[in-house]
Amino acid sequence: KQEVTQIPAALSVPEGENLVLNCSFTDSAIYNLQWFRQDPGKGLTSLLLIQSSQREQTSGRLNASLDKSSGRSTLYIAASQPGDSATYLCAVENYGGSQGNLIFGKGTKLSVKP
Amino acid sequence: KAGVTQTPRYLIKTRGQQVTLSCSPISGHRSVSWYQQTPGQGLQFLFEYFSETQRNKGNFPGRFSGRQFSNSRSEMNVSTLELGDSALYLCASSLAGRVADTQYFGPGTRLTVL
Repeated sequence: KQEVTQIPAALSVPEGENLVLNCSFTDSAIYNLQWFRQDPGKGLTSLLLIQSSQREQTSGRLNASLDKSSGRSTLYIAASQPGDSATYLCAVENYGGSQGNLIFGKGTKLSVKP
Repeated sequence: KAGVTQTPRYLIKTRGQQVTLSCSPISGHRSVSWYQQTPGQGLQFLFEYFSETQRNKGNFPGRFSGRQFSNSRSEMNVSTLELGDSALYLCASSLAGRVADTQYFGPGTRLTVL
C-alpha cells in the first residue's frame, strides 16, 4: 500500500531564504508526482506535476525534483516571500491505482516571516 | 474559464442527519473525484465519476455515496452523519480522469457535525 510522508510537518523561515520541502513515498511504481499548495480553509492549487519519466519541473521560483528509485521528491522554493506561506502537499498517482485517485502526504505548513 | 465550484461552502448538521454536497466541474471536464480532508487523516480519496458512472471508490463506508449527471456535475451524499464526518470535502475535476490528467480542485465544502 502506497504511503506518502512529508517532512517537516511545519517550517518557519525569514523572508528571502531558499528552502527545501521533502516528500517520500514507499512504492516507486508511480505515474506521476504532484505538488499542491493549500491556503487556510481553501482548496488545492496545483504547482508542479512531474511525470515518472521526468527528473524535475520548474515554474518561476519553484523547482521540483523526482527520484523514483529512492522514493523521494523535493520542492525547492527560491527567495521565499510572505505570500508563500501556506501548506504544501505532495501527491502520487500509482500504476494500477484508481483513476482520479491521488495519494497525499499530510503536508508541510510553511510560514515565511517578513 | 470558470474553475471548479462547490456548494454550499459551509454546512452545519447534527448527528443522524443526511447531507448533499454539490460540485460543478470545469467546462469540458468529464471526470470528478471527491476527497475528504481531516486534520488527523489528511486527504483521502472517496470516489471518482466519469460519464455518470462511478469508476472507483475509496475505503469509506456505504453511508458515503455520490452520483454524476449528464452535464458532469456531481453530488455526494452522506447519510446518518457521525461526528467524525466533520471535514473539508473537496472535489476535483479533470478532462477524462486518465492517469496524468491534471486534477483541478474546488474550494471545498466545510461540514461540521454537532
